[in-house]
Formats: sequence, C-alpha cells, structure tokens
Amino acid sequence: AQSVTQLGSHVSVSEGALVLLRCNYSSSVPPYLFWYVQYPNQGLQLLLKYTTGATLVKGINGFEAEFKKSETSFHLTKPSAHMSDAAEYFCAVSDALGDDYKLSFGAGTTVTVRA
Amino acid sequence: DVKVTQSSRYLVKRTGEKVFLECVQDMDHENMFWYRQDPGLGLRLIYFSYDVKMKEKGDIPEGYSVSREKKERFSLILESASTNQTSMYLCASNLGPSYEQYFGPGTRLTVT
Repeated sequence: AQSVTQLGSHVSVSEGALVLLRCNYSSSVPPYLFWYVQYPNQGLQLLLKYTTGATLVKGINGFEAEFKKSETSFHLTKPSAHMSDAAEYFCAVSDALGDDYKLSFGAGTTVTVRA
Repeated sequence: DVKVTQSSRYLVKRTGEKVFLECVQDMDHENMFWYRQDPGLGLRLIYFSYDVKMKEKGDIPEGYSVSREKKERFSLILESASTNQTSMYLCASNLGPSYEQYFGPGTRLTVT
C-alpha cells in the first residue's frame, strides 16, 4: 500500500502570501496523484490531479502542483492566499499499474489565512 | 452537475444498534467507496465496490459490512455500533484509478 506524508498538520499564512503544502509518497511504480480540499462541513473536492504528461499541473482557485519523480513529491502551491482558501487539504495517491482502485490519503493539512 | 448524496448529515445512535448509512451517485460510476475520517488520520478506506454485488475490504473493515444491490447505491452497515465508530463517514465514486473520486457531503455519526 502507498504511504502518503503531508508535512505539517497546520499551516498559517497571511492573506496575499504564498501557500505551500508539502506531500511526499512512497511508490516504486508510477502513481496517480491528487490534491483535494475540504471546506467545513463538506465533502472533499478535487483541486487538481497528475496522471501523465506535464509535471506541473494547474487546478482550480489558482492552485498548482508539481510532480517530482526523483523526490517522490507532489507539493501544492498558490502564489497569493485568499481568505476563502482556509480549509483542510489532502494529498492522495493511487497506483497507476494493475487494477488497484484504492486511494491512499495523507493525514491532511489545515490552512488558516490571517487578515 | 455530478452528485453523490448521503442519507443523513448527522446521526446519533446508541451502542449496540444496527446502523445503515446509504450513498447514492447519479454518474453511472462503476466504483464506490466508503471512508471514515478522523482528525490527524486523514481518510481511511473501509470498503469499496467495483461492480454490483462485488465488494473488497479496505484498510479498516472490522466492524463494518457493505451492500451494493444496484449500481447507483452503496450502503455501509454497522452491525452493532460501538463508541469507537463515532466518526465522519464519507462516500465516494469514480470511473477508475486515474479518475477523480467524487465525494458526498459526509455523515457525522455519534455513538453513545
């Protein structure tokens, strides 16, 4: 099974500052990589995903992430935080080979945005 | 607009009760999933189903069972609820491994 590590359970940023959320995974096979966001009292919503091709992927709400195979990382960034970005963020990984349908999730990072 | 719905947003049950959580998706997805979400642990997979009447255990199946009699509906059953099953339960569905999972709003279950 995949192991997904999100560094930092809580991140606090000022409005307008860079948001950087770190995700590392353990995989010996090419993975599919996802970032999800969860707003209070809601389910998870896809921010972006990497399956194949360009390693820098852009998602909704100005977020982007870069797949770095050599570092087994898929860090999420947003250049300028907005108050509406306050939420919990989850990195998730699935194996691209075989028929394993399962996603492995990180423990999540809660983002607080200071005015 | 794609949608996954769950039967209840909040549920309070007593220890030992049988609990049914239902999930319905309107996207004709083959795969459906049940997760529980606990602070600091992220989402953990309980069971998933890749076809009608087919099911596979996830990472934490103990104390749970599932049923999928129709493609659009996937039920999670707690045969005898216990306090350690107090949690947020999330249902999801997708087309396959490279496709995103669509999540329902969750059911917050409290077992007293």
